[in-house]
Amino acid sequence: AQSVSQHNHHVILSEAASLELGCNYSYGGTVNLFWYVQYPGQHLQLLLKYFSGDPLVKGIKGFEAEFIKSKFSFNLRKPSVQWSDTAEYFCAVNGVGQAGTALIFGKGTTLSVSS
Amino acid sequence: DAGVIQSPRHEVTEMGQEVTLRCKPISGHNSLFWYRQTMMRGLELLIYFNNNVPIDDSGMPEDRFSAKMPNASFSTLKIQPSEPRDSAVYFCASSSQGAGELFFGEGSRLTVL
Repeated sequence: AQSVSQHNHHVILSEAASLELGCNYSYGGTVNLFWYVQYPGQHLQLLLKYFSGDPLVKGIKGFEAEFIKSKFSFNLRKPSVQWSDTAEYFCAVNGVGQAGTALIFGKGTTLSVSS
Repeated sequence: DAGVIQSPRHEVTEMGQEVTLRCKPISGHNSLFWYRQTMMRGLELLIYFNNNVPIDDSGMPEDRFSAKMPNASFSTLKIQPSEPRDSAVYFCASSSQGAGELFFGEGSRLTVL
């Protein structure tokens, strides 16, 4: 079955700490991978995406993610978090070449950053 | 350029009432998705359309839920009759076929008393 697993339900960090959020997926075939962010009371916004090529992907606001195919992982990282990064983060996957295929989301990780 | 537009943003209704949620996708996008978000279950795909045709409705919880897309610029999600367990935030998203990335609306927060 297709699924996305996010290991951390809630992460609490102080400002300037480094962040890594885990994401593993189960999906038959070649995949597109995404990280979305949802700030409190807002809709989901794309942080970054991987379609092909360099497995280290850089997104907005200093976030990056690394696709490790052998581990079926797509972990999100940021070297130094800010209070404004407090939000919920969702990892998602869909299949390559399957036009219009819906994204399958993980359950999300809530990040709380204290100033 | 306008993003995905959903209405209403908030709806409070009583059990048994009919609820209709509306979505206008981004112009030119030909895939549309309805998701439901709850604390317990996270983001669940309810149904999605390609070129106005329903492709996968396996996530629709039961017959009380129905969705339509009469044209490329409008979709509805209807719940009849509504129940308290339907309380959630319902998101609509759209994408260009083959592009992969989904663009989300602001969501409709439904509370069924």
